[in-house]
Amino acid sequence: DIQMTQSPSSLSASVGDRVTITCRASQSISRSLNWYQQEPGKPPKLLIYVASRLQSGVPSRFSGSGSGTHFTLTITSLQPEDFATYFCQQSYNTPKSFGQGTKVEIK
Amino acid sequence: QVQLVQSGAEVKKPGASVKVSCKVSGFTLTALSMHWVRQAPGKGLEWMGCFDPEHGERIYAQKFQGRVSMIEDTSTDTAYMELSGLRSDDTAVYFCASENLNKCLDVWGQGTTVTVSS
Repeated sequence: DIQMTQSPSSLSASVGDRVTITCRASQSISRSLNWYQQEPGKPPKLLIYVASRLQSGVPSRFSGSGSGTHFTLTITSLQPEDFATYFCQQSYNTPKSFGQGTKVEIK
Repeated sequence: QVQLVQSGAEVKKPGASVKVSCKVSGFTLTALSMHWVRQAPGKGLEWMGCFDPEHGERIYAQKFQGRVSMIEDTSTDTAYMELSGLRSDDTAVYFCASENLNKCLDVWGQGTTVTVSS
């Protein structure tokens, strides 16, 4: 099974900050990597798919990059509604494992 | 526009089974790859399994093999996830989510809380 490891597990940031979250796969997954945002009490929301493609309706301050085993999610100019938990997920093969999540909190 | 609406919260005793439904609207179930994901309180997302319509097979995470069953009622466009032999650590919110052609989960149900307690 492919293990997904996110870092950091949590971070504190201010509105307007640039934030970067990293996701590493235990083996190469090409570009089969998705990013989700989850607010408390809500289902996850798709942000980025195939490593760098922005889901329709998602603000352009979100971007994704990477391939192989190393991926990043970047939020430029953090907004109040961006304080949430972010998960990566590999879609290379089953089981389609998730990272453990990164909680973005207000500093 | 695909929408997924799940059944309501459940409270079960240890050893019992639970069956969660996921009603599809705006699309036909036969064309979707339905996935099930759960989230224990304060924890991350855990992939449980899916139906692969291309090959007509169900794929379950090894952790749940023998305890989980995912079925589809195409007459009502409703997917079901049944988990048996419930334990306290099965207490979680269970989500259904549909996978699109880009292999990402782009539509999610609202979640169903399952509480296992004696």
